[in-house]
Amino acid sequence: ETGVTQSPTHLIKTRGQQVTLRCSSQSGHNTVSWYQQALGQGPQFIFQYYREEENGRGNFPPRFSGLQFPNYSSELNVNALELDDSALYLCASSRGTGGLVGYGYTFGSGTRLTVV
Amino acid sequence: AQTVTQSQPEMSVQEAETVTLSCTYDTSESDYYLFWYKQPPSRQMILVIRQEAYKQQNATENRFSVNFQKAAKSFSLKISDSQLGDAAMYFCAFFSTTGNQFYFGTGTSLTVIP
Repeated sequence: ETGVTQSPTHLIKTRGQQVTLRCSSQSGHNTVSWYQQALGQGPQFIFQYYREEENGRGNFPPRFSGLQFPNYSSELNVNALELDDSALYLCASSRGTGGLVGYGYTFGSGTRLTVV
Repeated sequence: AQTVTQSQPEMSVQEAETVTLSCTYDTSESDYYLFWYKQPPSRQMILVIRQEAYKQQNATENRFSVNFQKAAKSFSLKISDSQLGDAAMYFCAFFSTTGNQFYFGTGTSLTVIP
């Protein structure tokens, strides 16, 4: 089975620009979660998508938005980039949500975003 | 709100020796899961071990075991017979079944000395 694939692996953007990050979920998984990992920190939950709907959101402003497609792949969009948005963005897929943790989460290798 | 604290930013261990990584958490929830994840330079989060809060028995996965003290809200990871491939950043994580999300600590960087 294929794992979680994220693209691009690295990205440099200018403050104020917009960026789109992509994630292909593991085969058989229907849920995608996005996390932001700042340098020297643990990942922080941005939001989760289940059946193409947002299914939970962390403490991130509305300029962070997402999509999930019928094939369960997902996009993370960030508008009006700020310097503090520089981070590793991790995508994780799973089968089901919440209490179905037994099915496990699979993380991708992330996209390293640098905002200059 | 849930918080996870890892008080050891860096740890080192001699190859073949045993090391324990510490983690404490705070929550008012009764149904949750605790995890240890490993993040090597490849950046992918790799599951090391998982513990269900309702289980009193400590989880074990080969050379990895946990000491889960629910009343103390403590969840330490013991790595036995350390190998060079164990060198990585280790994150303790709390999973909220109500919030459908992980809460991660700040990580412990483990160095294995040959």
